[in-house]
Amino acid sequence: EDQVTQSPEALRLQEGESSSLNCSYTVSGLRGLFWYRQDPGKGPEFLFTLYSAGEEKEKERLKATLTKKESFLHITAPKPEDSATYLCAVQAPTSGTYKYIFGTGTRLKVLA
Amino acid sequence: EPEVTQTPSHQVTQMGQEVILRCVPISNHLYFYWYRQILGQKVEFLVSFYNNEISEKSEIFDDQFSVERPDGSNFTLKIRSTKLEDSAMYFCASGQGRGGETQYFGPGTRLLVL
Repeated sequence: EDQVTQSPEALRLQEGESSSLNCSYTVSGLRGLFWYRQDPGKGPEFLFTLYSAGEEKEKERLKATLTKKESFLHITAPKPEDSATYLCAVQAPTSGTYKYIFGTGTRLKVLA
Repeated sequence: EPEVTQTPSHQVTQMGQEVILRCVPISNHLYFYWYRQILGQKVEFLVSFYNNEISEKSEIFDDQFSVERPDGSNFTLKIRSTKLEDSAMYFCASGQGRGGETQYFGPGTRLLVL
């Protein structure tokens, strides 16, 4: 069964304490893997799309990487404003079309 | 910066009633999506829409659901006969390309079915 698993479920960091969030996936074929940030009561905000193993994308303090089984979102020297839920999603083929599968997210809290 | 808007922000309805959730996608986008997120659970894909027809839909998107683009700007999700389990946050998204491209999400409509 196709699935996306994110870990940890929650993470508390001190400001400046770098860490990584994990997204592991099991799908029959990967068309794309997406990272989003979601603030409470709001819609997901797009961060990155990764298409193939070995690909990396960076934006400010965030860096996303992709292997054949998982993706990491590395957060370097986080600030309190980076506190949010980070969602991973994959797009995979199914019955001649595509489906989108989201993980449950990692709730990140960065303490000042 | 252009953004996706959704109305209403909150909707309360009685079980069995029909509801229509409205979205105004970003104007030059061609692909439109609906997702839902039950409180405390993961975001779930419902349907994607392109060129005035459904291009992909999930198992959740059964005969109770329908989508429409009634004019050049609005994109609607209709639930014909709401159930308690339809209570969720519904997000609309739009994008310039199919799936792999950036999807911009709206702020959501919180639907509560009593």
